Formats: sequence, C-alpha cells, structure tokens
Amino acid sequence: NAGVTQTPKFQVLKTGQSMTLQCAQDMNHEYMSWYRQDPGMGLRLIHYSVGAGITDQGEVPNGYNVSRSTTEDFPLRLLSAAPSQTSVYFCASRSVGTVEEKLFFGSGTQLSVL
Amino acid sequence: GDSVTQMEGPVTLSEEAFLTINCTYTATGYPSLFWYVQYPGEGLQLLLKATKADDKGSNKGFEATYRKETTSFHLEKGSVQVSDSAVYFCALSSNDYKLSFGAGTTVTVRA
Repeated sequence: NAGVTQTPKFQVLKTGQSMTLQCAQDMNHEYMSWYRQDPGMGLRLIHYSVGAGITDQGEVPNGYNVSRSTTEDFPLRLLSAAPSQTSVYFCASRSVGTVEEKLFFGSGTQLSVL
Repeated sequence: GDSVTQMEGPVTLSEEAFLTINCTYTATGYPSLFWYVQYPGEGLQLLLKATKADDKGSNKGFEATYRKETTSFHLEKGSVQVSDSAVYFCALSSNDYKLSFGAGTTVTVRA
C-alpha cells in the first residue's frame, strides 16, 4: 500500500519559472489537500479538494493553482515561482466520513526558489 | 477562526526525562483534537487524538487529555527516548475537512 506519493522530493527553481508538484493516493480518499510548512509557522493550508472536479482555497492560496480531474491525483501548480514560495510542501488525504478521520501525509517536496 | 497555540521550542531533554508540550486552542463548537509527529525527513503521522471533552488519547507512551474548561490538549510522556526526537504538532478539526495546525515544537532527546 503506497499511501500518498509526492514527486519530486527536491526542486530548485529560478524566479518566474513554473512547475507542478505531483500528488497521488491509492486509498480512494475523497479529500486531498496541500500544505506548506515554514519555520515557526507550522503547516498552512493552500488548497483542498473534497472530490473529483471540486477544489477550494485554503489559508494561503495566492500564487498556486490546483485541479482534481481524478480521485487519485491532486497536482499543485506554481505559475510564476517567487522566493516567498521557498518551503516544504506536503500533500495529504483522508476519507470524509467523520471529522476525526486521520490525515495521511506524503513525505514532502522541498522547494527552493532562487 | 480556529487556531492552535503551541509552546515554542526547541526542547532538549535527556533520555528518561519527562516531556510536556503545551497546546491551547480557539474554536467554534466542539472540535476534535490531534497530535501529529514528524520524524526527520518524513511526513506527519497521527500520534493520538481525542474527539470530546475529558477524552484521553494515548499512543507509544504519549498521552493528552481534552480539557474543554481550559481549552487545552497538552502532550505528555513520562520517560522519553532518543527515538522520540521529532517535531510535534498540535491540531484541531471543527468541520468536515480542514485541520488547523500549531507551529510545531522540535524535541531533541540526548542519550
């Protein structure tokens, strides 16, 4: 059981470049989300999705786009990278039966924008 | 809105010492409360949870009690090991989808 798979693990971009962080889960979870983790700020929610074709903004959505064409995949797009987007990005998923369902996390993508 | 406040780290302890990480929250309604742990180079894993007042979550020797009167969910372990070195996050969920996380507390246990 692979769980939540994120690629790449590391990425270096120049300011203004675009890229897509990939996230896939094999647990048939309806809910998927992207967080960024910055020192002293914990995890902040960027975007989330409660099912294929449905996405919504989290706490810090600016500069990021998402789509959810399948249940399994939830890519995060940076259209024009900025140094402020240097961070560690985590994808997470869970079922939506109850609020106490636990969140499964990927191992993260460390992104540096120069 | 919902928020979680954790004690700031880093925390450095010797093996077999007692660990407490304070966590307080602000939320509407009756949230579920969680502690997640992040080991070096890995994603977060659920450590324990409590879904209603006075519930005690426990796992791997860690415990936390949901205190509605003080809006707290402090994490404790009586005797830490080097393998407990990690970042610990307190979190809450008060609706169907979103988790709000604290800033995280880095714990280092020395042999």
